[in-house]
Amino acid sequence: AQKVTQAQTEISVVEKEDVTLDCVYETRDTTYYLFWYKQPPSGELVFLIRRNSFDEQNEISGRYSWNFQKSTSSFNFTITASQVVDSAVYFCALSAVIQGAQKLVFGQGTRLTINP
Amino acid sequence: GAVVSQHPSWVICKSGTSVKIECRSLDFQATTMFWYRQFPKQSLMLMATSNEGSKATYEQGVEKDKFLINHASLTLSTLTVTSAHPEDSSFYICSARGSLRGISYNEQFFGPGTRLTVL
Repeated sequence: AQKVTQAQTEISVVEKEDVTLDCVYETRDTTYYLFWYKQPPSGELVFLIRRNSFDEQNEISGRYSWNFQKSTSSFNFTITASQVVDSAVYFCALSAVIQGAQKLVFGQGTRLTINP
Repeated sequence: GAVVSQHPSWVICKSGTSVKIECRSLDFQATTMFWYRQFPKQSLMLMATSNEGSKATYEQGVEKDKFLINHASLTLSTLTVTSAHPEDSSFYICSARGSLRGISYNEQFFGPGTRLTVL
């Protein structure tokens, strides 16, 4: 199966706390891509990161960091020193071949609320 | 980077009418376009995939005759919701994949979405 699981439906923290959003995936492809998107209340998806299955290096971009572990099929996302503007729904997605076509499979999303 | 636009950004219509949503790639050639639907507090669900000049491929459970998709050019795809009903009210998002300045990209670039409300 090609599947993405975001077990945390909602997370609420106080500003400046660190928060980690979990993502676990299943795929039978040997080459695949993983993504994280942010969806603010406006609805527009904002691309955050793409990770190739062959590249297990962790990535840091400002307050954002990503931990890719193939051994546990996880691609977790951490926001350090969270801010109110980080409040949004975050989606993890897997690019996989389904019925011969390359498609994106989205997780259920995690609604993150940062309280002042 | 690649930009995808959608028009309109929101639409309200009466039950039984048809609504057309446009998805345009502004600065790249979109060989493949995708249409997603997102109900409140849910994830994005792929409705169909269309390749330029070909018929769209619909996901299981999506009615082809109700959601008409046309991808006649490398920069434009349209989704027409025919005889819309209140249960079709949703957020419709398109995405495009293709080539930019001669380089092919595997990732999808998303439009801002169209919020459809059927009364």
